[in-house]
Amino acid sequence: DAGVIQSPRHEVTEMGQEVTLRCKPISGHDYLFWYRQTMMRGLELLIYFNNNVPIDDSGMPEDRFSAKMPNASFSTLKIQPSEPRDSAVYFCASRWGGDNYGYTFGSGTRLTVV
Amino acid sequence: QKEVEQDPGPLSVPEGAIVSLNCTYSNSAFQYFMWYRQYSRKGPELLMYTYSSGNKEDGRFTAQVDKSSKYISLFIRDSQPSDSATYLCAMDTDKLIFGTGTRLQVFP
Repeated sequence: DAGVIQSPRHEVTEMGQEVTLRCKPISGHDYLFWYRQTMMRGLELLIYFNNNVPIDDSGMPEDRFSAKMPNASFSTLKIQPSEPRDSAVYFCASRWGGDNYGYTFGSGTRLTVV
Repeated sequence: QKEVEQDPGPLSVPEGAIVSLNCTYSNSAFQYFMWYRQYSRKGPELLMYTYSSGNKEDGRFTAQVDKSSKYISLFIRDSQPSDSATYLCAMDTDKLIFGTGTRLQVFP
């Protein structure tokens, strides 16, 4: 298995632009998580899905952030409009529902908003 | 107060030293306790996990959980330069909550 695949690896965008981050979870995993990592706040959970349904989006910082999971093999995290304070590394992770510890993380997307 | 507290370090030790990393938590509902290792510009990788209280050993690594004190530890014996990374504790109910991570450097 290729693991959790995220794209792009790096994204540099101007303030006010729309940014879309993509994630392909491991086949067979029914939970998908989006995290954001910064030096100041560490790894923060933004939102997670179970069987493609959003379960908890309480970590989404504001309405500029949205996430979708149209099918079991694809999820997006969108920021519109982007702001410099959104600069961070965004990680996607997935796991199988019968295994509370088997989280697998992608390599992350490093977002820089200038 | 954050749900999971972890000293950010950095921690710098000589090769061969015993390293102790710790976290405290506030949510008594946590049942799974994990340690992740993260190298620079990489995603976190699961190092060890423990269910409920107790100890678990895997090679040079030992994880301990004391639910009565809401305190977990990771010990690294005979530390190596390749152990230099950020170590994150994490705890799970239905979602994984992380500590801020401790940066460890092992020098030759």
